[in-house]
Amino acid sequence: ETGVTQSPTHLIKTRGQQVTLRCSSQSGHNTVSWYQQALGQGPQFIFQYYREEENGRGNFPPRFSGLQFPNYSSELNVNALELDDSALYLCASEDRGQTPGFGSGTRLTVV
Amino acid sequence: AQKVTQAQTEISVVEKEDVTLDCVYETRDTTYYLFWYKQPPSGELVFLIRRNSFDEQNEISGRYSWNFQKSTSSFNFTITASQVVDSAVYFCALPISGNTPLVFGKGTRLSVIA
Repeated sequence: ETGVTQSPTHLIKTRGQQVTLRCSSQSGHNTVSWYQQALGQGPQFIFQYYREEENGRGNFPPRFSGLQFPNYSSELNVNALELDDSALYLCASEDRGQTPGFGSGTRLTVV
Repeated sequence: AQKVTQAQTEISVVEKEDVTLDCVYETRDTTYYLFWYKQPPSGELVFLIRRNSFDEQNEISGRYSWNFQKSTSSFNFTITASQVVDSAVYFCALPISGNTPLVFGKGTRLSVIA
């Protein structure tokens, strides 16, 4: 049990729409990372937040944005959805330097 | 640049067979961590091991064992006496920098048949 929960579990959106995915981390976990996992691929790093500040970003366009809140929750926002954004989105949290624990993910389908 | 290669896309074994999952990595760092995660159909990544590059001793945990060889940049994972519950996708991962975030391989899908 990682103590990381993600919502919603599944989501269907239309191309061009905006979506917000949520992650609730274990208390004390000051670092959260988001990953995108396309079907049949390994997770790809989107961005990381440390103490509510962005701390690194992968090769994703600016329409992917995020927030981390003082209560150890975080959000991933995606604007102007494209069909290729269909994927499993994973959140991972850690007390900085420790082993990250992952949530079960949100499966996003863009039609 | 950091890179992880898992050349085996899919492996199928009969229950009780031993199976080894290969992982080869490239890193610019002199000290680093390596990880293995398991992803069952539920989607959650389940942590299996984190190994520091300082420690090249093989590790055994129950039916699981890991063979880390810095000279060949490999960190292979063996399951002894496989069971149906071991069926999952297994990922090897390496930090982009420090401890996280991680660069993952494409994964190896293991199917254990009863």
